Amino acid sequence: GIQVEQSPPDLILQEGANSTLRCNFSDSVNNLQWFHQNPWGQLINLFYIPSGTKQNGRLSATTVATERYSLLYISSSQTTDSGVYFCAVERGGANSKLTFGKGITLSVRP
Amino acid sequence: ETGVTQTPRHLVMGMTNKKSLKCEQHLGHNAMYWYKQSAKKPLELMFVYNFKEQTENNSVPSRFSPECPNSSHLFLHLHTLQPEDSALYLCASSHNRGNGANVLTFGAGSRLTVL
Repeated sequence: GIQVEQSPPDLILQEGANSTLRCNFSDSVNNLQWFHQNPWGQLINLFYIPSGTKQNGRLSATTVATERYSLLYISSSQTTDSGVYFCAVERGGANSKLTFGKGITLSVRP
Repeated sequence: ETGVTQTPRHLVMGMTNKKSLKCEQHLGHNAMYWYKQSAKKPLELMFVYNFKEQTENNSVPSRFSPECPNSSHLFLHLHTLQPEDSALYLCASSHNRGNGANVLTFGAGSRLTVL
């Protein structure tokens, strides 16, 4: 099956700093999602971004499908950005399913 | 609130108990999912239902029994569980377009502890 690798595994930031989270995947995809899991376990869909660039406030994401990677940018980080960030991809076709990476644990300190 | 509601949020049960987890989605989606998230492990897909029909059973032990009475409701019936089944169980839904681009929306999860 498709492989998803996220880096770095852990990240500690001072409030106000910027960061880049990376997701590499091993095959072509027609679905890529970034999720944020807060400390209470809730997974929030940040972006659906199989290709191109999107922005939502302080967050933006870019997927370069031909090179099989996606980047999530967090600017002016806040303590509420802490949690685990997951990248998930799907190849498409019959019975395709979303495959998750192991996640990146982000801690933003005041 | 994401539009996917899970109850209960927390559950503690003994190995001989029978309990159920419930998931309800208010998004008009036609596909629903159960995922298991154990400590230090990636999310594991358990079951997928499309239009109330089970289309995926990811080699899940029979002590977990899903039920999908309609496209808005999904249950996970639990019986004779083991302590290693303790985990966060996440429900999700999506609009299955049939092209493999299933954009998932998750519930808040049910944290299960098996004693």
